[in-house]
Amino acid sequence: GQQVMQIPQYQHVQEGEDFTTYCNSSTTLSNIQWYKQRPGGHPVFLIQLVKSGEVKKQKRLTFQFGEAKKNSSLHITATQTTDVGTYFCAGNSNSGYALNFGKGTSLLVTP
Amino acid sequence: NAGVTQTPKFRILKIGQSMTLQCTQDMNHNYMYWYRQDPGMGLKLIYYSVGAGITDKGEVPNGYNVSRSTTEDFPLRLELAAPSQTSVYFCASSRWTSGRVNEQFFGPGTRLTVL
Repeated sequence: GQQVMQIPQYQHVQEGEDFTTYCNSSTTLSNIQWYKQRPGGHPVFLIQLVKSGEVKKQKRLTFQFGEAKKNSSLHITATQTTDVGTYFCAGNSNSGYALNFGKGTSLLVTP
Repeated sequence: NAGVTQTPKFRILKIGQSMTLQCTQDMNHNYMYWYRQDPGMGLKLIYYSVGAGITDKGEVPNGYNVSRSTTEDFPLRLELAAPSQTSVYFCASSRWTSGRVNEQFFGPGTRLTVL
């Protein structure tokens, strides 16, 4: 079945440094979504990418969807302590009714 | 709109006990999901439903049952609780359109401990 791999598992940065997490699927995706989960909270939707090669920005966050629609990345520029949390990617195949979540990247930002 | 609500927030069960985790959404979403999240781990899909009266197994369905009698409600039943079912349970809902799953809205979660 479809698998979504996410790396790294953990990242510890100093405030102001950049951060990137990568997501790879074993199969072609129809769309990919990114979620953020704060410690003790629930996942919250950030964005959805649908088109091959798509790039979307939300303030300091940049999301990319690969040309083959099998990989994606989330880049945060100049991290802040409010960025702390776990970032999950979730892929949906053309025939799927559910999302396949990666295991997430936990980001720790120290001031 | 309240979004997705889950009850209870916390529960401690003894081995062999049963319970039902409640989930309700008021967004008229056709798709609903149950996930479990173990400490430091990702989300594993237990069951999902594409509409009232239709349910299907996810990645880890053993030990659980679901029903979907209405669009709004999607309860998760644990029949014989085991320590391996200690986890945080999230319910989610989404709209499915044009061949893809859209944004999922998550409830606040139920933290379950089985002793």
